[in-house]
Amino acid sequence: GIQVEQSPPDLILQEGANSTLRCNFSDSVNNLQWFHQNPWGQLINLFYIPSGTKQNGRLSATTVATERYSLLYISSSQTTDSGVYFCAGDSGGSNYKLTFGKGTLLTVNP
Amino acid sequence: NAGVTQTPKFQVLKTGQSMTLQCAQDMNHNSMYWYRQDPGMGLRLIYYSASEGTTDKGEVPNGYNVSRLNKREFSLRLESAAPSQTSVYFCASSGPSTGDYEQYFGPGTRLTVT
Repeated sequence: GIQVEQSPPDLILQEGANSTLRCNFSDSVNNLQWFHQNPWGQLINLFYIPSGTKQNGRLSATTVATERYSLLYISSSQTTDSGVYFCAGDSGGSNYKLTFGKGTLLTVNP
Repeated sequence: NAGVTQTPKFQVLKTGQSMTLQCAQDMNHNSMYWYRQDPGMGLRLIYYSASEGTTDKGEVPNGYNVSRLNKREFSLRLESAAPSQTSVYFCASSGPSTGDYEQYFGPGTRLTVT
């Protein structure tokens, strides 16, 4: 199956700062998704982004499928952005077997 | 519209006991999934059901069984729990259209096996 690497593993920001999270895949992927796991453990969909760029408020994501990576941008961060951010993609040949990265732990301080 | 619901939220088992985790979705999704999440790791797929009547193994199926009871419900059973199965279990669903693979997650079940 594919390998998913996320960087950085940890990130500490002051409120108002911007950040970029990266996700690299060992092979081509379909159905790339970004999730936020809040401090209470709930997994929330951020983006379904197999390719291209999407924006939702202060968050945006870009996937360059041909180069096997995706980026998540957080602008003007808020304390409520804290939590773990995961990317996931299918494991080649199956549209159902998502492989997750280990996540980026983001802490936004007031 | 509750989305994906899971019961129970918490459970403590002794080694060798059995239990069933329940999952239901009200989004008319075709596909459903069970994952486990261990500390410091991402989620790993245990089993999935691409459509009603079908189930397939994921990355870590050993020690688990599943049942796709109907389109709404997908249960995960531990026949003889082991301490290595201590984890947080998430159910997810996707669909309803063919080719719609975006997954939506339930709140999770925190399981401890002593």
